[in-house]
Amino acid sequence: QSALTQPRSVSGSPGQSVTISCTGTSSDVGGYNYVSWYQQYPGKAPKFMIYDVSKRPSGVPDRFSGSKSGNTASLTISGLQAEDEADYYCCSYAGSYSLVFGGGTKLTVL
Amino acid sequence: EVQLVESGGGLVQPGGSLRLSCAASGFIFSNNWMTWVRQAPGKGLEWVANIKQDGSEKYYVDSVKGRFTISRDNANNSLFLQINSLRAEDTAIYYCARGYVTGVDSLDYWGQGTLVAVSS
Repeated sequence: QSALTQPRSVSGSPGQSVTISCTGTSSDVGGYNYVSWYQQYPGKAPKFMIYDVSKRPSGVPDRFSGSKSGNTASLTISGLQAEDEADYYCCSYAGSYSLVFGGGTKLTVL
Repeated sequence: EVQLVESGGGLVQPGGSLRLSCAASGFIFSNNWMTWVRQAPGKGLEWVANIKQDGSEKYYVDSVKGRFTISRDNANNSLFLQINSLRAEDTAIYYCARGYVTGVDSLDYWGQGTLVAVSS
């Protein structure tokens, strides 16, 4: 049950695209199409952004997209906006009804 | 509107116990898996435990097995986490979260969290 690996930080200018990676193993990310992503502002609860690798819940802008290749999942945010500055966490199903989160990535909008 | 409201956190000495509660409203509570996730100060999210809709199945992260117990009361739309033998490393904000649709693999609504601080 080791945490998934995410970059500590990423940055981009308004209007640009950024991608946050999330690397696991064949026992979690690579073994299931059950990766989800969460956005968290300081002092706030996480917000549900992506599920089942690439599906967006109702209300999430289509600027947010998810993908997966092998043991690595990715969250891409296009048309970056100031309000996107937050921490982002990936999460994968890891079998036996368990979940594992990534360490989190701080997104800075320059 | 879906709402999850945690309570029961506080300052406790090492070895002590607490019972966290999560009051749910705005949805049919018995339809969803429920989950506890914690976040140590300045750290990332960590899955702690989850419980099936009818309470018949419960799963825990290894570090809390034997010390934490998740339970639910569907009649009163409530989720609980009994935490015993507390350690300093259990210090965190504890969030309750709802499983998306009828699954367990993603969490669509979260409470605001309750802080558990373990210190002598």
